[in-house]
Amino acid sequence: DGGITQSPKYLFRKEGQNVTLSCEQNLNHDAMYWYRQDPGQGLRLIYYSQIVNDFQKGDIAEGYSVSREKKESFPLTVTSAQKNPTAFYLCASSPRDMANSPLHFGNGTRLTVT
Amino acid sequence: GDSVTQMEGPVTLSEEAFLTINCTYTATGYPSLFWYVQYPGEGLQLLLKATKADDKGSNKGFEATYRKETTSFHLEKGSVQVSDSAVYFCALSPWAGSYQLTFGKGTKLSVIP
Repeated sequence: DGGITQSPKYLFRKEGQNVTLSCEQNLNHDAMYWYRQDPGQGLRLIYYSQIVNDFQKGDIAEGYSVSREKKESFPLTVTSAQKNPTAFYLCASSPRDMANSPLHFGNGTRLTVT
Repeated sequence: GDSVTQMEGPVTLSEEAFLTINCTYTATGYPSLFWYVQYPGEGLQLLLKATKADDKGSNKGFEATYRKETTSFHLEKGSVQVSDSAVYFCALSPWAGSYQLTFGKGTKLSVIP
């Protein structure tokens, strides 16, 4: 079955360390996204990529970095510059025609930084 | 900019009760509208969508009608089940083919037996 795989499901890190969250999709979707979810705040867009080797900042990109070297993969690095990194991170993908087949989400990674 | 406003939760209902979750939006042009559902510990799943005014989206007993005159897309279900307990998100895409969705803050629904 096609889908989006995020790993690991839970991640723990010490403050000051960079950490990379994995996201892989086998849906052959062009676009991929990273969202951050905090209680009571809904989803906020961190970065998105419409095509390989290209990506754009979302609403809260500071302290994060991404790469898109392959169509299937869109890893997110949470750097030590991110002031409040503890959150639930969701990866998503979509085909080019968003209106008829919108976002498909992975099951998320819960990051805890202490 | 575009925005989506949902009724604040949490909402607690007894099994077989009628559900309404209000959603209003602000957007220029002709947005597409969506409802997503998030079950505990999981990502979001598309529940239903509507791409133009007066369209009704429906799935799993849930319905929502795209009302341009009131800029609303309220989610309804006639008889909820315990398995419907989840967080529901209203979202819009500003135009057909746009790569970006704007989400509401989510409404948590708990259904008790």
